[in-house]
Amino acid sequence: AQSVTQLDSQVPVFEEAPVELRCNYSSSVSVYLFWYVQYPNQGLQLLLKYLSGSTLVKGINGFEAEFNKSQTSFHLRKPSVHISDTAEYFCAANPNQGGKLIFGQGTELSVKP
Amino acid sequence: ETGVTQTPRHLVMGMTNKKSLKCEQHLGHNAMYWYKQSAKKPLELMFVYSLEERVENNSVPSRFSPECPNSSHLFLHLHTLQPEDSALYLCASSQDYRSRGEQYFGPGTRLTVT
Repeated sequence: AQSVTQLDSQVPVFEEAPVELRCNYSSSVSVYLFWYVQYPNQGLQLLLKYLSGSTLVKGINGFEAEFNKSQTSFHLRKPSVHISDTAEYFCAANPNQGGKLIFGQGTELSVKP
Repeated sequence: ETGVTQTPRHLVMGMTNKKSLKCEQHLGHNAMYWYKQSAKKPLELMFVYSLEERVENNSVPSRFSPECPNSSHLFLHLHTLQPEDSALYLCASSQDYRSRGEQYFGPGTRLTVT
């Protein structure tokens, strides 16, 4: 079965430091990949997506992710985080099965002053 | 209203009650989804509707009953729930089920079963 693994359940980081949230997916011939963010008491908001083309994808709020087919990874990065980036981040994959998204377990990013 | 809305935002119900969750999308999408989000677990897809027809039903107990009267509205009818059903229930929509595009989520209904 297809799966998405987020390697870190919690990532604490200081304000203005860089951050990387890791995501690996089980390989598929054609996979679409997404990162979502969930702020407290809210739904999920799309940060960025990879469908095809350039492997470096830029999203909202200064985030970017790189699709690496050989390592089956789609890690999320930000060069300098803010307190307001504190939230839970979800990686998701659509492995060519209609609209069904497969989510990772989530990574809780905690930005400290 | 814009995007995907859900009502109520919070719901407390006893195990013998019957209640319904409502979702409405204002995006002109053709597919709608119900997810269950429990603490420390991945999001669980419960139901998918495409053009008002159910296309996914992931082994969800019959005490959860979905309804999609039109492409803009989705309901989740609840009856005789268990305490382990307490969770955040998220509704989402996408342009088309087969296009594999992104899904847009509502804010969720926080359900507590007592």
